[in-house]
Amino acid sequence: IQMTQSPSSLSASVGDRVTITCRASQNIVNYLNWYQQKPGKAPKLLILGASSLHDGRFSGSGSGTDFALTISSLQPDDFATYYCHQSLSMPHTFGLGTKLDIK
Amino acid sequence: QVQLQESGPGLVKPSQTLSLTCTVSGGSINSGSYYWNWIRQPAGKGLEWIGRFYSIGSTSYNPSLESRATISVDTSKNHFSLTLSSVTAADTAVYYCARSGDGGYDFDFWGQGTLVTVSS
Repeated sequence: IQMTQSPSSLSASVGDRVTITCRASQNIVNYLNWYQQKPGKAPKLLILGASSLHDGRFSGSGSGTDFALTISSLQPDDFATYYCHQSLSMPHTFGLGTKLDIK
Repeated sequence: QVQLQESGPGLVKPSQTLSLTCTVSGGSINSGSYYWNWIRQPAGKGLEWIGRFYSIGSTSYNPSLESRATISVDTSKNHFSLTLSSVTAADTAVYYCARSGDGGYDFDFWGQGTLVTVSS
């Protein structure tokens, strides 16, 4: 299953609300997770099952093939790369990432 | 809290075998319905799932690597390992081990990652 994220990069300011989208090449129901990765660090699980919170400052939505990650009121610590990940079928696959940097 | 730590050579010659170990602390690798995964990331690129071991003894692999990858476990040492044979420069990446929770649907705990370079 191919995972397509958009945009590939995004510039925003502290306090902004941003949304990153992820589209699956076929229906994955809600088997969609989001991760945050900072340079030189391992990814960190943010959202599982499309919308279940693992980290309270982030929200996820969507089902089927279209999903979104929203960060409300960006904080300096949020500037990182974000990946979506489908876990419906093997092999597990990831999007290519969205790099969020400071405007 | 579960912690994972990768270890192994940082440099492997082309055509040789890459071997890495992931040591788990803060929990038994043999308990619960957890999956133990290997994931890699070439520099500046995205994440690729390599394969996983399930605590009841089954393994699954990415078809793109299945012919070269083997995941094994040593419960007495509470660690699991990855071997990747016939490596090329395309296998140069940071290799992560990660745990999947119940059902194997997400990667909830990760190691810090270890860089493996394939070069002569």
